[in-house]
Amino acid sequence: DIQMTQSPSSLSASVGDRVTITCRASQSVNNFLSWYQQKPGKAPELLIYAASSLQSGVPSRFSGSGSGTDFTLTISGLQPEDFATYYCQQSYSAPRTFGQGTRVEIK
Amino acid sequence: EVQLVESGGGLVQPGGSLRLSCAASGFTFSSYSMNWVRQAPGKGLEWLSFITSSSHIIYYADSVKGRFTISRDNAKNSLYLQMSSLTDEDTAMYYCAKETYGSSCGNWGQGTLVTVSS
Repeated sequence: DIQMTQSPSSLSASVGDRVTITCRASQSVNNFLSWYQQKPGKAPELLIYAASSLQSGVPSRFSGSGSGTDFTLTISGLQPEDFATYYCQQSYSAPRTFGQGTRVEIK
Repeated sequence: EVQLVESGGGLVQPGGSLRLSCAASGFTFSSYSMNWVRQAPGKGLEWLSFITSSSHIIYYADSVKGRFTISRDNAKNSLYLQMSSLTDEDTAMYYCAKETYGSSCGNWGQGTLVTVSS
């Protein structure tokens, strides 16, 4: 099974900050990597698919990069509505594992 | 508009069974692969199972293999998860999710809560 490791597990940031979350796969997942945002009590929402493609309707301050085993989610100019938990997921092979999540909190 | 509505959750005793349903609307259900994902209270997301549009390919997480069965009825625009031999570790919110570009989960339901307790 492919293990997905996110770092950091949590971070504190201020509105306007640039935030970077990393996701590392235990073996190559090519570009079959997605990023999701989840707010408390809500279902997750897709932000990025295929490592770097922005889902329709998602603000352009979100971007994704990487290929193979190392991936990054960047939020350029953190907004109040961005405080949430973020998850990566590989869909290269089954089981389609998620990272453990990164909680973005207000500083 | 894509809508996914899960149902069938509730309180079940350890060792019991439950069948979850996911009613789909707003898209051609028979053309899309689907997933089940769960989230235990205060924990992260756990992918459970995948089924292709024609049901020809099915995958499971090791944690549910042999206990859970995914299925679909394209005529009824519905996805199912039959769960058996439930333990307290299966207590979670269960989500269905529609596959989209890059094999990602592009649309999610609101979830249905399963509580396993005596």
